[in-house]
Amino acid sequence: QKEVEQNSGPLSVPEGAIASLNCTYSDRGSQSFFWYRQYSGKSPELIMFIYSNGDKEDGRFTAQLNKASQYVSLLIRDSQPSDSATYLCAVNNPHSGAGSYQLTFGKGTKLSVIP
Amino acid sequence: SAVISQKPSRDICQRGTSLTIQCQVDSQVTMMFWYRQQPGQSLTLIATANQGSEATYESGFVIDKFPISRPNLTFSTLTVSNMSPEDSSIYLCSLPGGVGGNEQFFGPGTRLTVL
Repeated sequence: QKEVEQNSGPLSVPEGAIASLNCTYSDRGSQSFFWYRQYSGKSPELIMFIYSNGDKEDGRFTAQLNKASQYVSLLIRDSQPSDSATYLCAVNNPHSGAGSYQLTFGKGTKLSVIP
Repeated sequence: SAVISQKPSRDICQRGTSLTIQCQVDSQVTMMFWYRQQPGQSLTLIATANQGSEATYESGFVIDKFPISRPNLTFSTLTVSNMSPEDSSIYLCSLPGGVGGNEQFFGPGTRLTVL
């Protein structure tokens, strides 16, 4: 059973602080890692993807991947109230018939940025 | 990225009836996915739909309950058959794409309530 684990939260941070979201996965063969943001009542929106060990930065977002530890994280700098949402970690399932495209999602971490 | 639309956006249905959800894409794609998101839960893959072949269902999902059609490269339908209140969920279609080629993008979803 392929698993993706996230702390469900809620994670509360003050405006302007760094929010740190964590995710672990069980399948060592996974190669692609994604962070989605989901506002209440909306569909998931892809905000970051990372394929290689290390850090990847995009604006206020940094994704970090450590394949040896099977750990991926998302840092949000200068958090804003508009960042308040549920953040879903997703990992590809390399053993699926759909090749690298099939994703397994974590249950998500609810982030609350307090003004 | 491709523009994905779904119909209906929401519906309230009676137990024992069926609902067909449509997913339309503005470009041709070989592979499409159907997900379910039950209240307060993460996304669970129902099936992978490739044009020209039978859909591939994940464990716990069967064709009799969730028949899928994929008549061309821009369109797919998912039918939720003989509905029960446990089928109340958001149903989302998605497709791969993006800069890295492995990213996955979601339609706006169909919010289904079964009474």
